[in-house]
Amino acid sequence: DVQMTQSLSYLAASPGESVSISCKASKSISNYLAWYQQKPGEAYKLLIYSGSTLQSGTPSRFSGSGSGTDFTLTIRSLEPEDFGLYYCQQYYEKPHTFGAGTKLELK
Amino acid sequence: EVQLQESGPGLVKPSQSLSLTCSVTGYSITSNYWGWIRKFPGNKMEWMGYISYSGSTSYNPSLKSRISITRDTSKNQFFLQLNSVTTEDTATYYCARGGSYRWFAYWGQGTLVTVSS
Repeated sequence: DVQMTQSLSYLAASPGESVSISCKASKSISNYLAWYQQKPGEAYKLLIYSGSTLQSGTPSRFSGSGSGTDFTLTIRSLEPEDFGLYYCQQYYEKPHTFGAGTKLELK
Repeated sequence: EVQLQESGPGLVKPSQSLSLTCSVTGYSITSNYWGWIRKFPGNKMEWMGYISYSGSTSYNPSLKSRISITRDTSKNQFFLQLNSVTTEDTATYYCARGGSYRWFAYWGQGTLVTVSS
C-alpha cells in the first residue's frame, strides 16, 4: 500500500496567519491527491483534488501544490472556521490510503 | 444537493456482523461510485471499498473476505456488511460518493459503531 505521511499531527496558529500542511507519499502518485477538512459534528468536506484543483465552494485562501511524492496544503490568512482536522488521501493506487491527519488548532 | 446518511446499529458483539445502510438523496446511485471509509479512535482513516454505478465492487485487501458492499437501486441505498467483527473494528463509519481512482466529493456525517460484548 502507498503510505501517506502527514508529518505534523498538530499545528497551532492564530487567525490571520498563514499555515502549510505537508503530506508525503511513499511512492510517486503523480497528482492523484485530495485534501479534506473535518470539523466536529460536520461531514468531511473535500477541499482540493488533483493536488491543486479547488473544489467548488472552497475559499480561495486555500491552495494545494505538489506532485509525485510531496504535497502541501496552504491556508492564507486563517479564518476562525478553518480550525479543524485535515487529511490527505491518494487515489493513484488501491487501496486509496489516507494520511494520519493534521489537527489545526487555535493558538 | 447530494446528501448521504448512514444508519445502523451502534453496538455490535464480537464475531457478529456489522451492517450499515447509506441513504442517498439528490443523486442516483446508478451513476458514479459509492464508497465506505472508516475512522478509528485516534483518527486513523481506512478506505474500505466501493460499489460502482453498474454494481461492481472493489474492496481493501486488508478486509479480505469479511466485507461486502451491495445496493438497492429502487431505494437509492447502498450497504456495508462486515463479518466476524472484533473490537478492532470499532470506528466511525462513513459513506461517500467516489472511490474508484477518484476523490470523495460528498460524505455522510458518519455513524459510530462499537464492537463490544
